Amino acid sequence: QKEVEQNSGPLSVPEGAIASLNCTYSDRGSQSFFWYRQYSGKSPELIMSIYSNGDKEDGRFTAQLNKASQYVSLLIRDSQPSDSATYLCAALFGNEKLTFGTGTRLTIIP
Amino acid sequence: ETGVTQSPTHLIKTRGQQVTLRCSSQSGHNTVSWYQQALGQGPQFIFQYYREEENGRGNFPPRFSGLQFPNYSSELNVNALELDDSALYLCASSLDSPSSGANVLTFGAGSRLTVL
Repeated sequence: QKEVEQNSGPLSVPEGAIASLNCTYSDRGSQSFFWYRQYSGKSPELIMSIYSNGDKEDGRFTAQLNKASQYVSLLIRDSQPSDSATYLCAALFGNEKLTFGTGTRLTIIP
Repeated sequence: ETGVTQSPTHLIKTRGQQVTLRCSSQSGHNTVSWYQQALGQGPQFIFQYYREEENGRGNFPPRFSGLQFPNYSSELNVNALELDDSALYLCASSLDSPSSGANVLTFGAGSRLTVL
């Protein structure tokens, strides 16, 4: 069974520090990876997508992909209290549908 | 209107009842996916519809069924409700073809179902 695994946390980070969120996936053939942010009681919203090995930066967010290690990460620089949310990692396995991890709860401490 | 809209936002049912949840896709999107998110879990794929036909199904029993209409809006029906069906049901639309798998999903706000 194709799986995406995340540390459920909670992860607490001081305001202004770097938050690092990690995710592993089971299918070496997976090509597409996504990070979604979900505030409590709200729906997931897409933050980043990454398809190639290496880093992809967008503002304060950097996604990192290492296909050899089957590992995806999300770094949030200069963390703000508004970044406090659950972060969902998702992977696309072949032609199957998007598979999500259980999410990591992040709390930014002012 | 842009964005994905879902209704109702909250509802309470009892075991054995039936429920219908509705979703209007984002303008221009031809594919709708339904996900179930239990408390503290990630969304679990239920099924996807492309041009009114089911295009993929997750590990859910047949009492979970769906429809997609010509205007790309969609319904999720659940029969014989069980306590474990209590969850947030998320609809997501995307612009896909049958062979492409899920591309970028735009989620609605969800329908929170409580089964007593």
